[in-house]
Amino acid sequence: GDSVTQMEGPVTLSEEAFLTINCTYTATGYPSLFWYVQYPGEGLQLLLKATKADDKGSNKGFEATYRKETTSFHLEKGSVQVSDSAVYFCALSDRGTSYGKLTFGQGTILTVHP
Amino acid sequence: EAGVAQSPRYKIIEKRQSVAFWCNPISGHATLYWYQQILGQGPKLLIQFQNNGVVDDSQLPKDRFSAERLKGVDSTLKIQPAKLEDSAVYLCASSLGLAGVGETQYFGPGTRLLVL
Repeated sequence: GDSVTQMEGPVTLSEEAFLTINCTYTATGYPSLFWYVQYPGEGLQLLLKATKADDKGSNKGFEATYRKETTSFHLEKGSVQVSDSAVYFCALSDRGTSYGKLTFGQGTILTVHP
Repeated sequence: EAGVAQSPRYKIIEKRQSVAFWCNPISGHATLYWYQQILGQGPKLLIQFQNNGVVDDSQLPKDRFSAERLKGVDSTLKIQPAKLEDSAVYLCASSLGLAGVGETQYFGPGTRLLVL
């Protein structure tokens, strides 16, 4: 079945540091890939997405590239801010096996210190 | 535009009691999802509706969980009787289209359930 694996957390960084959160996936069909973010006290919200191989999703300085050859969708940001502290979830939606449901990774807690 | 609304935000019950959660999706959204998020894990789909029909309930424990979406708008999720392992956050999400694999899902704030 479909699955998503995220790097072990939590991740603690200083402000302006470079961020990478690794995400790899297993899918039966041809998935769309997503990063969702959950800020403290708020609901999940879409950060970025990519729907086909080699697509790059980007938003708020975050980027992730859909790599079919390595089945990966790593999240990166060049310079993190304290306000980026949140839980980040990688997810997929598989055309071959679902009607649009999201399969999530376990989440990575990011804490950014001033 | 109003987001996805859920109530209650928190609920504490004893095992074997029943509980119900309510969700009001974004106006005009055809597809509604209920996810269960256990502490330290990612959300897991329980049930998906397209308008008022069920398209995926393969992960719903049907001996104790039930859900309905009347008139293709609001939805309720019920647990009867609750077990300790049902302690989790129950998330409702909606998306505009029908069975949209690449579509954005919009999530509500969730209902945090604690079963004692």
